[in-house]
Amino acid sequence: NAGVTQTPKFQVLKTGQSMTLQCAQDMNHNSMYWYRQDPGMGLRLIYYSASEGTTDKGEVPNGYNVSRLNKREFSLRLESAAPSQTSVYFCASSPGSQAFFGQGTRLTVV
Amino acid sequence: GQQLNQSPQSMFIQEGEDVSMNCTSSSIFNTWLWYKQDPGEGPVLLIALYKAGELTSNGRLTAQFGITRKDSFLNISASIPSDVGIYFCAGPNTGFQKLVFGTGTRLLVSP
Repeated sequence: NAGVTQTPKFQVLKTGQSMTLQCAQDMNHNSMYWYRQDPGMGLRLIYYSASEGTTDKGEVPNGYNVSRLNKREFSLRLESAAPSQTSVYFCASSPGSQAFFGQGTRLTVV
Repeated sequence: GQQLNQSPQSMFIQEGEDVSMNCTSSSIFNTWLWYKQDPGEGPVLLIALYKAGELTSNGRLTAQFGITRKDSFLNISASIPSDVGIYFCAGPNTGFQKLVFGTGTRLLVSP
């Protein structure tokens, strides 16, 4: 049982490059989320999707776009990476009031 | 929006000691969740609380859902080195569309 799978695990980008972080869950959950976690800080919500076909902004959406491709997959795109987007990114899925997290993607923008 | 404040921010304790941490909010939550994040990993759910006054245990961990519904507490008894990590409280927002996370309590345990 894989749970929530994120790829890649590590990535280094140059300023201005674009990339997509992938997330897939095999638990048939309706809700999916993208969070970022900066050193010594908590989790900040970037975007979430309460169901297939819907997406909404979280606390820190600027510089990001998302796609809920189907019920299983929720991707996060950085169109033009900036050093301020250096962070660890976590995807999560939820059946309702709990959330299950992936292992994270450590992104460095130089 | 709804916010969760955790205290203390960090704790450094000796192995074998008991630990207490809490989470408070200015608004009511109907569910309280406690997560632990190991270094380099994603958060993992420890305990879920669904009713005001509820007291739930998971091994050496005990969590309580405050009567006012504006706070929750997590206790760890007889701490061990593998308890090291960041502990987060969380709760679903009013519309149950997303989870709000607390600021975290970083726990360090000295052998």
